[in-house]
Amino acid sequence: NAGVMQNPRHLVRRRGQEARLRCSPMKGHSHVYWYRQLPEEGLKFMVYLQKENIIDESGMPKERFSAEFPKEGPSILRIQQVVRGDSAAYFCASSPLKTSGYNEQFFGPGTRLTVL
Amino acid sequence: GDSVTQMEGPVTLSEEAFLTINCTYTATGYPSLFWYVQYPGEGLQLLLKATKADDKGSNKGFEATYRKETTSFHLEKGSVQVSDSAVYFCALSLGSNFGNEKLTFGTGTRLTIIP
Repeated sequence: NAGVMQNPRHLVRRRGQEARLRCSPMKGHSHVYWYRQLPEEGLKFMVYLQKENIIDESGMPKERFSAEFPKEGPSILRIQQVVRGDSAAYFCASSPLKTSGYNEQFFGPGTRLTVL
Repeated sequence: GDSVTQMEGPVTLSEEAFLTINCTYTATGYPSLFWYVQYPGEGLQLLLKATKADDKGSNKGFEATYRKETTSFHLEKGSVQVSDSAVYFCALSLGSNFGNEKLTFGTGTRLTIIP
């Protein structure tokens, strides 16, 4: 069973360009979380999605950032008109459908975005 | 708001030394507590967890006890190995409806074990 896949692993963009980060959850997982890690900081929650639904986007910046998790295909985190402050590592985690107790989140290796 | 404060790094120890990484939290409810580990070039992996006060999580020789009175969840290991070198993150989750178990993380502690 393959783990959570993220691509690309490294992404370089110039200011004003768009960045698209992809996350393929583990097989059978229907929940996806995105986290951002700024330099010298811990991971910060951005958004929580289930298939075709955004459940909690309280950690997303109000502008330029969007996320989706379509019925088919990977989850996408999209950043429009990137700025240098968007340079960070972006981690995706997936978990199975909640049954009882805590559902472990399985993390991908992250995408490191550098904005020039 | 909810937050996690953990020991500043980096921490460097000799093999077989005793390890403690401190972690304290602030939360409005009754969180579940976690330690995650990140090896170079990899994603975070759950190391151990505790879901209620006085629970002890343990895995791979690591232990942490959920202390409600001191709002702490310190990570310990009696004898570290070179292979334990990694970044360790303390985290909490309050859970909610719709299966949302978003995590609040500390800043991470980089641990290096020298032979």
